[in-house]
Amino acid sequence: DGGITQSPKYLFRKEGQNVTLSCEQNLNHDAMYWYRQDPGQGLRLIYYSQIVNDFQKGDIAEGYSVSREKKESFPLTVTSAQKNPTAFYLCASSVGNQPQHFGDGTRLSIL
Amino acid sequence: QQPVQSPQAVILREGEDAVINCSSSKALYSVHWYRQKHGEAPVFLMILLKGGEQKGHDKISASFNEKKQQSSLYLTASQLSYSGTYFCGTEMIEGGSQGNLIFGKGTKLSVKP
Repeated sequence: DGGITQSPKYLFRKEGQNVTLSCEQNLNHDAMYWYRQDPGQGLRLIYYSQIVNDFQKGDIAEGYSVSREKKESFPLTVTSAQKNPTAFYLCASSVGNQPQHFGDGTRLSIL
Repeated sequence: QQPVQSPQAVILREGEDAVINCSSSKALYSVHWYRQKHGEAPVFLMILLKGGEQKGHDKISASFNEKKQQSSLYLTASQLSYSGTYFCGTEMIEGGSQGNLIFGKGTKLSVKP
């Protein structure tokens, strides 16, 4: 079955540590997105990529980094510069004007 | 730029109807509606494109008023399974942001037996 896989489902970060969230899709979608979701805030765009080897900052990119070396993969690194990383992170993909398909999310917490 | 959703929350009895609104201050190319259950991924409901169209499936329908840059989601004869948080995602015409969505803060819908 085609879909988007995010891993891990739960992740804990220590002070000063970088952590990487995985997002893989086998839908052959060109565009991929990372969102952060906090209670009562909706989904806020962190980074997006419309094509391999290219990506753009979203509204809240500070403290995060991404790469898009393969069409199927769009990992997100939460760096130590992100002082409040506790949130639910959602990855999505789309093609053309079709709707975005979301992964099941990764819940990141601070130890 | 974030669209404004109203109401923030609504409680219904099974079989009752509800309307959720999504308003933008910017000219929109499309409006996307999603429903999210707690701790799960948002699930796509429908897209409405500029041109003022209406869409629907089963007992959920939506409209897009291009003049007002407002979309409304209509849930009729609500079922327990309709419970969740509803988000609208707006795609603006300007700014070269085609394909990118800006989401509202969501409307929490609770359907009681």
